Amino acid sequence: GENVEQHPSTLSVQEGDSAVIKCTYSDSASNYFPWYKQELGKRPQLIIDIRSNVGEKKDQRIAVTLNKTAKHFSLHITETQPEDSAVYFCAVINAGGTSYGKLTFGQGTILTVHP
Amino acid sequence: SQTIHQWPATLVQPVGSPLSLECTVEGTSNPNLYWYRQAAGRGLQLLFYSVGIGQISSEVPQNLSASRPQDRQFILSSKKLLLSDSGFYLCAWSVVFGNTIYFGEGSWLTVV
Repeated sequence: GENVEQHPSTLSVQEGDSAVIKCTYSDSASNYFPWYKQELGKRPQLIIDIRSNVGEKKDQRIAVTLNKTAKHFSLHITETQPEDSAVYFCAVINAGGTSYGKLTFGQGTILTVHP
Repeated sequence: SQTIHQWPATLVQPVGSPLSLECTVEGTSNPNLYWYRQAAGRGLQLLFYSVGIGQISSEVPQNLSASRPQDRQFILSSKKLLLSDSGFYLCAWSVVFGNTIYFGEGSWLTVV
């Protein structure tokens, strides 16, 4: 099955700095890569996603890049703000095989933005 | 627009007691439905998914079960809870299997 590794597990930055979270996956058939943000005690919420036919996608201060050859994708947050503090999860959806259609999550990154 | 609701939001249950968590989706037909569990605030584990009424796929062997008695209703159950069943349970749905999933508010279960 799919294996997703997410790094770092914790990330601490100063307000205004950039934050980068990276995920690697194992199944080259995977074709959809969403990122979720989870605030303490709340549900994960989709913040951005990218499909395998696109290399980069940007939405205001957040962007996601995908390197299919290397099988990794990254979340970039610029001009971080204290409200960006949360746990961020990458995920991978498989396009085929026994894991078809299943969402496999990374282990999560606790991002803390200090004012 | 589509919405997803699950309940109860929190519950404390003794070991060996039964469990029933319910989830409903509104504003769409024939959604794909999922149950995830999150332990210790990290890591989302897929427990069950359903692509249609009465169709349940189990991902992890355990003492939990799921049922889908109606198109937009998904139920997570247990006959006898274990301490290790404690966690944050999340129902989710998607329009297309293998596409974006959206989570319900979650249910905090503490087994004592």
